[in-house]
Amino acid sequence: AQKITQTQPGMFVQEKEAVTLDCTYDTSDPSYGLFWYKQPSSGEMIFLIYQGSYDQQNATEGRYSLNFQKARKSANLVISASQLGDSAMYFCAMRATQGGSEKLVFGKGTKLTVNP
Amino acid sequence: DSGVTQTPKHLITATGQRVTLRCSPRSGDLSVYWYQQSLDQGLQFLIHYYNGEERAKGNILERFSAQQFPDLHSELNLSSLELGDSALYFCASSSTTGGSGNTIYFGEGSWLTVV
Repeated sequence: AQKITQTQPGMFVQEKEAVTLDCTYDTSDPSYGLFWYKQPSSGEMIFLIYQGSYDQQNATEGRYSLNFQKARKSANLVISASQLGDSAMYFCAMRATQGGSEKLVFGKGTKLTVNP
Repeated sequence: DSGVTQTPKHLITATGQRVTLRCSPRSGDLSVYWYQQSLDQGLQFLIHYYNGEERAKGNILERFSAQQFPDLHSELNLSSLELGDSALYFCASSSTTGGSGNTIYFGEGSWLTVV
């Protein structure tokens, strides 16, 4: 069964500094996708970045980058130059196959607080 | 704006009642997923539809049902509501099913409070 583990319930970072949010995954599927979502206190789930299992390069989207280490089964999110607006819950998720269909399996999330 | 539209945004109803949550996927997306997010259970996958056909069921209660219509919008029906059904319900969409590609975008969610 597929599983996502986020070991950091909460993280603190100073404004303008970089922060890494950890994510490890478990799957036996050779083809999978890894996602990071941001959920601010207002509740919406905002897509940040995606990494495919066959992608050769680490994904980047603006200040977000995904440190993908396939052998270690980790997909850490790096946020550079943190901003106060980055304070939110962050979820790592994996696209999991199930009998020809698919779903996203989520970790429990990491609450990031950016201090001024 | 993800392009996924959910209505209503907030809903308060009494125990035993029935509600319908509506979702319009992103233009061109054939897959619709429903998720429930509660404080104690986290994000739980409920059900997946692709082009009108049910593709996968997760932890969806028998009191809950869903369907996807020919215009690709989807509805999640929750009946005989209990206090524990209070949660944030998300709809998400993607353009295909299967494989490692294609981003899945979420709507803003429907906050359901059962009193």
